[in-house]
Amino acid sequence: QKEVEQNSGPLSVPEGAIASLNCTYSDRGSQSFFWYRQYSGKSPELIMSIYSNGDKEDGRFTAQLNKASQYVSLLIRDSQPSDSATYLCALKDSSASKIIFGSGTRLSIRP
Amino acid sequence: ETGVTQSPTHLIKTRGQQVTLRCSSQSGHNTVSWYQQALGQGPQFIFQYYREEENGRGNFPPRFSGLQFPNYSSELNVNALELDDSALYLCASSLGAGQDTDTQYFGPGTRLTVL
Repeated sequence: QKEVEQNSGPLSVPEGAIASLNCTYSDRGSQSFFWYRQYSGKSPELIMSIYSNGDKEDGRFTAQLNKASQYVSLLIRDSQPSDSATYLCALKDSSASKIIFGSGTRLSIRP
Repeated sequence: ETGVTQSPTHLIKTRGQQVTLRCSSQSGHNTVSWYQQALGQGPQFIFQYYREEENGRGNFPPRFSGLQFPNYSSELNVNALELDDSALYLCASSLGAGQDTDTQYFGPGTRLTVL
């Protein structure tokens, strides 16, 4: 059973600080990784995709991938109250046409 | 907005009934995937359709079935509804195979409640 593991949280971060979200996975062959944001009662919204080892930056968001350690992370700089949501880590299954999701980390930005 | 639409938004059914959920893909996308998301969990893959053919299936019983039409819209059918089928059902469209084309974009979802 291929798995994506995330700390369920809640992770509480003060406004303006850096929020760090982490994810580990078991599928060594996976090449495509994703971070989705999901507000309560809404559907997941793609924030970042990352395919190569290292960092990928997009605005206040930075995704980090380490395939040797089977680890993906998401950093949110200058955290805002609007960043309060559940963040889902996901990967493309290396042997099937499906995306495997973690159960999500609930992030709360406190003023 | 992703351009993916789903209907209905909410649905209430009773145990044993059948339900059909609908999805319209983002323009230009030929692949649709369906997911079930229970409260507090991540989305679980049900199946995927690529150019009207089933292209992968998750660990769901045969009473979960689907269709994709020539215009790439899609249906999810669930027979003999059970209480545990209560969940948010998500449709996601993508361009298909390949590293840069397997990013999936989700519709707003259908909230199904089974009583």
